[in-house]
Amino acid sequence: EVQLVQSGAEVKKPGESLKISCKGSGYSFTSYWIGWVRQMPGKGLEWMGIIYPGDSDTRYSPSFQGQVTISADKSISTAYLQWSSLKASDTAMYYCARLRDYYDSSGYSLPASLDYWGQGTLVTVSS
Amino acid sequence: DIQMTQSPSSLSASVGDRVTITCQASQDISNYLNWYQQKPGKAPKLLIYDASNLETGVPSRFSGSGSGTDFTFTISSLQPEDIATYYCQQYDNLLTFGPGTKVDIK
Repeated sequence: EVQLVQSGAEVKKPGESLKISCKGSGYSFTSYWIGWVRQMPGKGLEWMGIIYPGDSDTRYSPSFQGQVTISADKSISTAYLQWSSLKASDTAMYYCARLRDYYDSSGYSLPASLDYWGQGTLVTVSS
Repeated sequence: DIQMTQSPSSLSASVGDRVTITCQASQDISNYLNWYQQKPGKAPKLLIYDASNLETGVPSRFSGSGSGTDFTFTISSLQPEDIATYYCQQYDNLLTFGPGTKVDIK
């Protein structure tokens, strides 16, 4: 059974750093993209970025480039999302998800649909 | 960047009604379009992939169609358990979600 299990809720102060995690199981972790999605309170889904754990190829949404860092440790089948200096506006639910892929004309794997999701990690940033 | 729009932003319908949501891309995305359902307090769930393919285990009252820039998501007979927000998502150029359509029961 495919599962993505995220780390627990966090309460932080502005300016603090944070790293949350997403552990995959039940499938070949290095063969699928993992993505991160933000959902601010009462708002819609925003794609933040993706990583391919097999070779650590990482892509960011322009809205989040430079704001967060996505990484993965394939030895423990875990992806990470981190901030170096949190802001109150980072308060949100963060989801990780496995992405089914497709192959372009060059045979390169590209992300497609988010087929399995973690349970979400609530991050609250408040002074 | 590819922008996605959805309409309506919310709707109320009766049990058994046919419900239709539209999604428009800012440029041609072929059939690189997925639909998700998100119930309150839960993670999203993939319902339709590649514009018209039903994900395994998803009830057949859900369907999708379209290609290019215009897409449609339909619930053929609304059920109480379908109360949720529905999102489209393109993957022609990385990923973008639509703003969502909230569906509730009249």
